[in-house]
Amino acid sequence: DGGITQSPKYLFRKEGQNVTLSCEQNLNHDAMYWYRQDPGQGLRLIYYSQIVNDFQKGDIAEGYSVSREKKESFPLTVTSAQKNPTAFYLCASRTGINTEAFFGQGTRLTVV
Amino acid sequence: GNSVTQMEGPVTLSEEAFLTINCTYTATGYPSLFWYVQYPGEGLQLLLKATKADDKGSNKGFEATYRKETTSFHLEKGSVQVSDSAVYFCALLLDGNQFYFGTGTSLTVIP
Repeated sequence: DGGITQSPKYLFRKEGQNVTLSCEQNLNHDAMYWYRQDPGQGLRLIYYSQIVNDFQKGDIAEGYSVSREKKESFPLTVTSAQKNPTAFYLCASRTGINTEAFFGQGTRLTVV
Repeated sequence: GNSVTQMEGPVTLSEEAFLTINCTYTATGYPSLFWYVQYPGEGLQLLLKATKADDKGSNKGFEATYRKETTSFHLEKGSVQVSDSAVYFCALLLDGNQFYFGTGTSLTVIP
């Protein structure tokens, strides 16, 4: 089955530690996105990538980093510079023009 | 700038009631419009979409019409079920590249 997989579903980290969230897709999609969702709020774009080895900052990129070494993979690192990292993180992918984004199941990160 | 404004929630309805969730947008250009649904603890799933003015998207009894003159894409369903309880997001896609999402509207349907 084609899809987009995020892992892990739940992640706990101590304050000050970097943590990497995984996002893999086997849909052969060109574009991939990372969003952050906080309770009662919409989705805010962290980073997006339209092709391999290229990515752009979104609205809230500070304290985050990404890489796109393979078409299928777009990992997100939450660094210690991110002041309030506890949130629900969503990865998405899409391809073509005027097409919808497909979302993963999300990773809930809790920093203690 | 580009943005999406959704009706504030939460919305609580009785089963079989009529649902409307308002969505208006501001965009430079000609966006595609989407409604997504999110169940607790999960990612977003596409509910329906429309790519040009006057298009009507429909799925699972939900409908929305792309109204360019009023810059709106209101979601409607004639008879809601308990299983429709979720958070609904309106979104626009501009230049085939970046999405703009509304803040979401929480719907609870009671038996």
